[in-house]
Amino acid sequence: EDQVTQSPEALRLQEGESSSLNCSYTVSGLRGLFWYRQDPGKGPEFLFTLYSAGEEKEKERLKATLTKKESFLHITAPKPEDSATYLCAVQAKSGGSYIPTFGRGTSLIVHP
Amino acid sequence: NAGVTQTPKFQVLKTGQSMTLQCAQDMNHEYMSWYRQDPGMGLRLIHYSVGAGITDQGEVPNGYNVSRSTTEDFPLRLLSAAPSQTSVYFCASSWDGYEQYFGPGTRLTVT
Repeated sequence: EDQVTQSPEALRLQEGESSSLNCSYTVSGLRGLFWYRQDPGKGPEFLFTLYSAGEEKEKERLKATLTKKESFLHITAPKPEDSATYLCAVQAKSGGSYIPTFGRGTSLIVHP
Repeated sequence: NAGVTQTPKFQVLKTGQSMTLQCAQDMNHEYMSWYRQDPGMGLRLIHYSVGAGITDQGEVPNGYNVSRSTTEDFPLRLLSAAPSQTSVYFCASSWDGYEQYFGPGTRLTVT
């Protein structure tokens, strides 16, 4: 069974204090690992797709990395507007299934 | 481009009632899907479609029906609402099954 575990559940940072969010996964053949941002009362917003170990992607203050067992979302010098819940999801290759498995998310609050 | 739209935004149903949640996208995406989001549970896939006329079950399909008669629309039908279906429902679409665009959600309460 595919599993995705995100940690920590909640993270409070001061503005400018860099940190990382973790997404560990078990899947029989990774088709893709996805990061989304979700603001309160809104739908998730796509950030990154990572396909293979060693891959990295960046967008503004965010950088996502991938190993064979986990992914990290690094936040450099965060600002209050980075406050949101960050979701990780994996999609397996097996059987051509389209079913992604989402983690429960990390709630990030950045204080000014 | 409106992206993915969902109606209604809020809905209250009584146990046993039926209703349809509407979802439409104007990006000509082949893939569309319905999720529910519950506190502490994350997003769970209900049903999905890889093109008009093609649908399949996700992780939690019981109590829900879908159909896909056009590329643009993917309605979700609750056959006989139960309190366990109280949740926030999100529709999403994708060009290739990877990057998904989500709608704003429908908050459903079943009493």
